[in-house]
Amino acid sequence: QKEVEQNSGPLSVPEGAIASLNCTYSDRGSQSFFWYRQYSGKSPELIMFIYSNGDKEDGRFTAQLNKASQYVSLLIRDSQPSDSATYLCAVNRNSGYALNFGKGTSLLVTP
Amino acid sequence: DAGVTQSPTHLIKTRGQQVTLRCSPKSGHDTVSWYQQALGQGPQFIFQYYEEEERQRGNFPDRFSGHQFPNYSSELNVNALLLGDSALYLCASSLVAGGNQPQHFGDGTRLSIL
Repeated sequence: QKEVEQNSGPLSVPEGAIASLNCTYSDRGSQSFFWYRQYSGKSPELIMFIYSNGDKEDGRFTAQLNKASQYVSLLIRDSQPSDSATYLCAVNRNSGYALNFGKGTSLLVTP
Repeated sequence: DAGVTQSPTHLIKTRGQQVTLRCSPKSGHDTVSWYQQALGQGPQFIFQYYEEEERQRGNFPDRFSGHQFPNYSSELNVNALLLGDSALYLCASSLVAGGNQPQHFGDGTRLSIL
């Protein structure tokens, strides 16, 4: 079983809608959870991180963590075509150590 | 505030050759991690350097080795290159002190093996 799983997509949403990206992980000892955005041919860019159960909001982005269900999600409100990218979920057990990545979910926001 | 810088941007090698990739961490960061990203996959952790020592290693063969210098910059060396080593190699830096600090990535080095 892969440690971090994401639906590869593509997830297609119309401009202005809410995009919901999901990620599950297998290691119950995981402590830190990250969302990176990666445009085609570019490197991953950190957009959100969350350490505690619940929601964390930053502008149009909301990260949600449920450790009991081993589930982390990213909501993007008022989606824009510029949000079209691959979103990588990353998890680590010990702060500052190796990140375990999912394969990423491709998001397409259509005008 | 300089971000993570990597060199070179692109590199073409042939099977059996050796390659060295370089990384300078973000200003104020002291830890460097290296990842390999194959096409269509998420990054895979190679190893991490802190205080000039390898602190953690992923599931990569000994052909992959590294080094960290006193100024926190780092090198990734790969010997006896295989076709399967073709990938985007990413360097990420972070700060050990201060608790849960996220890793920030450089632009990567795209390595092609012929």
